[in-house]
Amino acid sequence: SYELTQPLSVSVALGQTARITCGGNSIGGKNVHWYQQKPGQAPVLVIYTENNRPSGIPERFSGSNSGNTATLTISRAQAGDEADYYCQVWDSSTAGGVFGGGTKLTVL
Amino acid sequence: EVQLVQSGAEVKNPGESLKISCEASGYIFTNYWIGWVRQMPGKGLEWMGIIYPGDSDTRYSPSFQGQVTISADKSINTAYLQWSSLKASDTAMYYCVRLMTSVTPLDYWGQGTLVTVSS
Repeated sequence: SYELTQPLSVSVALGQTARITCGGNSIGGKNVHWYQQKPGQAPVLVIYTENNRPSGIPERFSGSNSGNTATLTISRAQAGDEADYYCQVWDSSTAGGVFGGGTKLTVL
Repeated sequence: EVQLVQSGAEVKNPGESLKISCEASGYIFTNYWIGWVRQMPGKGLEWMGIIYPGDSDTRYSPSFQGQVTISADKSINTAYLQWSSLKASDTAMYYCVRLMTSVTPLDYWGQGTLVTVSS
């Protein structure tokens, strides 16, 4: 089955740029989606199909995907961006979705 | 407005059965897949399976095949996740989600149903 690898944690200074990676075999050929989950809340879609933002998601959130790595980039990080972030793709071999292990973003 | 409203928290004993629900509104229920996602305490998200209410086509993650049953009643726009015999390891938050196709995102999430299995 397909596996996605994320760093356990990423730290970023307030106002700086955070980058969260998601590694997978030839992930560049897949549609990658990103979700933000704050404590005690359901996840929320923040980026879909590489670099599209749902309505209401700030332009500070962007995505890229190439080769074996997809990246979620959060510019001008704010305290409110502190959350767990998960990447997700569709695994055709199992006809099901796959999530990365999640990355905890800390804004210093 | 699209909404997925899940049933309330449950506390069960090991060996008991359970069926939790997810009521959809604000869109055509039979035109989208509904999926279920598990989150064990302090852990990440796990894909359980999906159902297409239009024809009840159901697909399970290999990890959950045989462990749970996913169903839907299109007459009342509701999807279900059920267990025949709960285990302590089923203790988790369960989310229902909406997706249009296999490669599209999980664009709406329910609020979650906390299932606690303990003797």
